[in-house]
Amino acid sequence: SQQGEEDPQALSIQEGENATMNCSYKTSINNLQWYRQNSGRGLVHLILIRSNEREKHSGRLRVTLDTSKKSSSLLITASRAADTASYFCATFGGTSYGKLTFGQGTILTVHP
Amino acid sequence: EPEVTQTPSHQVTQMGQEVILRCVPISNHLYFYWYRQILGQKVEFLVSFYNNEISEKSEIFDDQFSVERPDGSNFTLKIRSTKLEDSAMYFCASGALHEQYFGPGTRLTVT
Repeated sequence: SQQGEEDPQALSIQEGENATMNCSYKTSINNLQWYRQNSGRGLVHLILIRSNEREKHSGRLRVTLDTSKKSSSLLITASRAADTASYFCATFGGTSYGKLTFGQGTILTVHP
Repeated sequence: EPEVTQTPSHQVTQMGQEVILRCVPISNHLYFYWYRQILGQKVEFLVSFYNNEISEKSEIFDDQFSVERPDGSNFTLKIRSTKLEDSAMYFCASGALHEQYFGPGTRLTVT
C-alpha cells in the first residue's frame, strides 16, 4: 500500500453531525497536512501538524497525529452541507525539497 | 490575499502536440512545484524547482516534461509530445518547504 492512505474512502452524514477521516502513512515524516478539494477544483490547505505535535485545532477542524502508529485523523465538527468535498492528507518527509505525498482521499457528503 | 494563478483553466490538445501550462506563483515564494491528478485518482508529485533548477522529480517526469521560470514571475510546465494518458488536472504550487499554496489547476484533455 502507499503513503498517505485515507479511510473511509467515502463518508455520508447529515448536517450537524461530526465527520472523522483517518490517514495512515508508512515512512517517517516532518509534518502532515490536510487539504480539501471541491469537485473538479483546486486544493485548499486546511491545517498542518508537525511531527512533534499531537493535536491541533482550527475552527471546526481538529487534527490528531500519532507518529507511533503513523496515523492522523481529521475531525470536522457540526458539519455543514458546504463541507461536502474530498479531503486529502499529504505527508512531507523533510528530506526533499517540499515534495508532498498525497493519499487517495475521502469523499465527504453532508446532506442538508 | 495573494494567490497562485494558472492559465489556461482548460486545455484541449491532440495527441502528439506540445502544450505549455502556465503558473504565476506567489511573489515572495522560493519553491515551486507541479503536481497532477488523473480523474478519480490521487494527486501525484511531478517536480520541484528551487534556485532556478529542478531540485527533485518523480518517475512520471520523464524527458517529455520540462519546467522553466522564464522571467522571474511565471513558472511553466511543458509537455513536448502529449499522450492520451497525460490527460489530467495539473496543479502548480508555490511556497516554503513546509507549506504549499496550490493554484486552481489546469485541466488538460488529450484527444
